[in-house]
Amino acid sequence: KAGVTQTPRYLIKTRGQQVTLSCSPISGHRSVSWYQQTPGQGLQFLFEYFSETQRNKGNFPGRFSGRQFSNSRSEMNVSTLELGDSALYLCASSPRTGASEAFFGQGTRLTVV
Amino acid sequence: AQTVTQSQPEMSVQEAETVTLSCTYDTSESNYYLFWYKQPPSRQMILVIRQEAYKQQNATENRFSVNFQKAAKSFSLKISDSQLGDTAMYFCAFHLDNAGNMLTFGGGTRLMVKP
Repeated sequence: KAGVTQTPRYLIKTRGQQVTLSCSPISGHRSVSWYQQTPGQGLQFLFEYFSETQRNKGNFPGRFSGRQFSNSRSEMNVSTLELGDSALYLCASSPRTGASEAFFGQGTRLTVV
Repeated sequence: AQTVTQSQPEMSVQEAETVTLSCTYDTSESNYYLFWYKQPPSRQMILVIRQEAYKQQNATENRFSVNFQKAAKSFSLKISDSQLGDTAMYFCAFHLDNAGNMLTFGGGTRLMVKP
């Protein structure tokens, strides 16, 4: 069974640009959560999608958004990039919302210059 | 809101020895789960062990075991017979039951296993 796949693995963007990251969950999993990992703030929850609906949202500005497709694949978008958005973005897959186990992808390393 | 604290930013242990990583958390809820995740240099978060708050028995997974003290809100991880492959960042995480899949993470402990 394939694991959680995140693309791309690495990304370099310029301030002010926007970026879209993709996450394909484990087959059969319907919940996808996104996390931002930085040296200063650690791991912070961005949002969770289940059955194409946003279930939870962390404390991030509206520049961070996401969506989920009918095949459970999810994308997150960051608009008007700032230097502080440089981070590792991790996606986690769960069979359902409220599940007690999450499986993580290898992340997308975003660098904003 | 829940908070998770890991008070040891870095630790080291000799190969084959035992090491304990500390974690404390704060919540007013009674139904929740606690986890330890490992993040090696490959960056992928790997679940090490899980503990349901309603279970009094401490979870164990091979060389990994926890000491769950619910009243003290403490959840430490013991690694026995440490191996070089255990070198990684370790994160303690909290999941509130019936609240989606949001995990609240501690700041992490960097563990170095020395030969």
